Amino acid sequence: IQMTQSPSSLSASVGDRVTITCRANQDISNYLAWYQQRPGKAPKLLIYTTSSLQSGFPSRFSGSKSGTDFTLTISSLQPEDVATYYCQGYNSAPLAFGGGTKVEIK
Amino acid sequence: EVQLVESGGGLVQSGRSLRLSCAASGFTFENFAMHWVRQVPGKGLEWVAGISWNSGNIGYADSVKGRFSISRDNAKKSLHLEMSSVRPEDTAMYFCAKTRFGSGWYYFDYWGQGTLVRVSS
Repeated sequence: IQMTQSPSSLSASVGDRVTITCRANQDISNYLAWYQQRPGKAPKLLIYTTSSLQSGFPSRFSGSKSGTDFTLTISSLQPEDVATYYCQGYNSAPLAFGGGTKVEIK
Repeated sequence: EVQLVESGGGLVQSGRSLRLSCAASGFTFENFAMHWVRQVPGKGLEWVAGISWNSGNIGYADSVKGRFSISRDNAKKSLHLEMSSVRPEDTAMYFCAKTRFGSGWYYFDYWGQGTLVRVSS
């Protein structure tokens, strides 16, 4: 599997709606996860199976799929959301991550 | 509380070997598949290898196949990565990661803090 993630970085204001897109080069059904990685920290599971929110994360984070595109949405960007976000496809080995999207506050 | 603590990283010369370990606690280790994921400083994540609960199903990234070997000791609740014939491009932070399932290829619900491997040429 190859995962293509876009954009590679973005800058938005507090309260803005932010969307990050991930596309697989083959059908992975709904086997898509998202991770949040804050600077200097290990990644944390954010969303799994396309749209299931991991415990501990606020509901402003959501995941969806349209056609072959998977989307991570932050409905109202907060300062604590500054991080790099990665998608991961997982229907078979080798497992694959997207290149990451660095989210900053404008 | 789930804890994954990696060890064994350090500076190693190109062509030599290194063994990474991950000590697990806070969950029934023998029930879950485990993986290694690496990250070059400032770059993205790369899956390295994975092993099922009973070591019956193992997989590797093409970049490390034939050089790295993943193993586990369920009695000692530990995961290992034997790295041989290391190359400068193996320089990275190596994370131990747990899945929610015993086998198969899935996402990672817990990660360790990582151990840094630097390969000198």
